[in-house]
Amino acid sequence: AQKITQTQPGMFVQEKEAVTLDCTYDTSDPSYGLFWYKQPSSGEMIFLIYQGSYDQQNATEGRYSLNFQKARKSANLVISASQLGDSAMYFCAMRVSGGYNKLIFGAGTRLAVHP
Amino acid sequence: SAVISQKPSRDICQRGTSLTIQCQVDSQVTMMFWYRQQPGQSLTLIATANQGSEATYESGFVIDKFPISRPNLTFSTLTVSNMSPEDSSIYLCSVLGLAGGTDTQYFGPGTRLTVL
Repeated sequence: AQKITQTQPGMFVQEKEAVTLDCTYDTSDPSYGLFWYKQPSSGEMIFLIYQGSYDQQNATEGRYSLNFQKARKSANLVISASQLGDSAMYFCAMRVSGGYNKLIFGAGTRLAVHP
Repeated sequence: SAVISQKPSRDICQRGTSLTIQCQVDSQVTMMFWYRQQPGQSLTLIATANQGSEATYESGFVIDKFPISRPNLTFSTLTVSNMSPEDSSIYLCSVLGLAGGTDTQYFGPGTRLTVL
């Protein structure tokens, strides 16, 4: 079965510090994609970063980086230099095979950034 | 990435009624998706809507309850029929765009639905 697991319901971090949000996945497909989205209290879903299963290097996008450990089936999001505006829900998602670009989402982690 | 709008942004409805949610994109897209996010929960895919064909529904979702239209490449509607309080959720549409060399889903702002 294909599944995304986020074990941290809530995390907090001090402003300007780095924080890691955990994500593990389960799939038997050799080709898959992993995504992270941010959902502020307004409800919109904001795409942050993508990692392909065949990518040799960890993805980076500004203050976001993805710590991809394929053998451990983990795709943790690292946010460097946290800002107050980073306070939101963060969802890890996996694109499943079989067409249609379907995404399966994890339960999410609520991040609170403290001044 | 495409600019996606949804109408209404929020609504409060009575049980037994229906609500149609609109999703408009500023460019032509082949695939559109409809998701439901129940309070405090993650996103669940309702259906995939391709222009010119029937929507493909996920397990647990049926056309009679969630009819979808996709009349052209920039527009889709989702109707929540015969609503009950359990339908209170955020409903989001998404479209495929290109990011990092791969197809990526970009989401609209969502529609917050409360059913009394």
